[in-house]
Amino acid sequence: DQQVKQNSPSLSVQEGRISILNCDYTNSMFDYFLWYKKYPAEGPTFLISISSIKDKNEDGRFTVFLNKSAKHLSLHIVPSQPGDSAVYFCAATMASYGGATNKLIFGTGTLLAVQP
Amino acid sequence: DAGVTQSPTHLIKTRGQQVTLRCSPKSGHDTVSWYQQALGQGPQFIFQYYEEEERQRGNFPDRFSGHQFPNYSSELNVNALLLGDSALYLCASSYRGLINIQYFGAGTRLSVL
Repeated sequence: DQQVKQNSPSLSVQEGRISILNCDYTNSMFDYFLWYKKYPAEGPTFLISISSIKDKNEDGRFTVFLNKSAKHLSLHIVPSQPGDSAVYFCAATMASYGGATNKLIFGTGTLLAVQP
Repeated sequence: DAGVTQSPTHLIKTRGQQVTLRCSPKSGHDTVSWYQQALGQGPQFIFQYYEEEERQRGNFPDRFSGHQFPNYSSELNVNALLLGDSALYLCASSYRGLINIQYFGAGTRLSVL
């Protein structure tokens, strides 16, 4: 049972344009969401996160939007740069608030290619 | 400030053998989680160690076991290797005082022949 889904295996965008990566989840207990970026031969790198008490979180060129009613989140990258080309993973979990960290449930990833 | 380090980088084993993978967490972190990433898939949670005890476990058989040492470093052991155990094994560390941000190492690529 895939609790976190990234339905687009790949996305190609021109440099300078917006990249939008999508993620859907099924478990209503999830209340914290993260995006990771992964280059070949490296581990996933934390990018940005959002709590379910918010609907938007911004960090520089990266913005994550959360629609709880639709169980959908998206990552916007503006403007896209060739160095952003990587696999992007969406992950969901239940926030621990000082207790033991909870496990991350990952989607299958979206390969973003930013064309110069 | 050293990040999460894993060793070895690559490993080749044959079916039935046993393997041990190692992880040193990021400085200041006390929790280590292990994930398995098969080709074309997202990382799958194996288990987590905190205060030298296994705290959470994913849907993996008992052939997968682990340990955490007093310095917070951790080992993942896999016995009776199967071809299907070939994957990238990722270690992630975190601190229980911060909300759920886990930082990953570069992984160990295990090939079972």
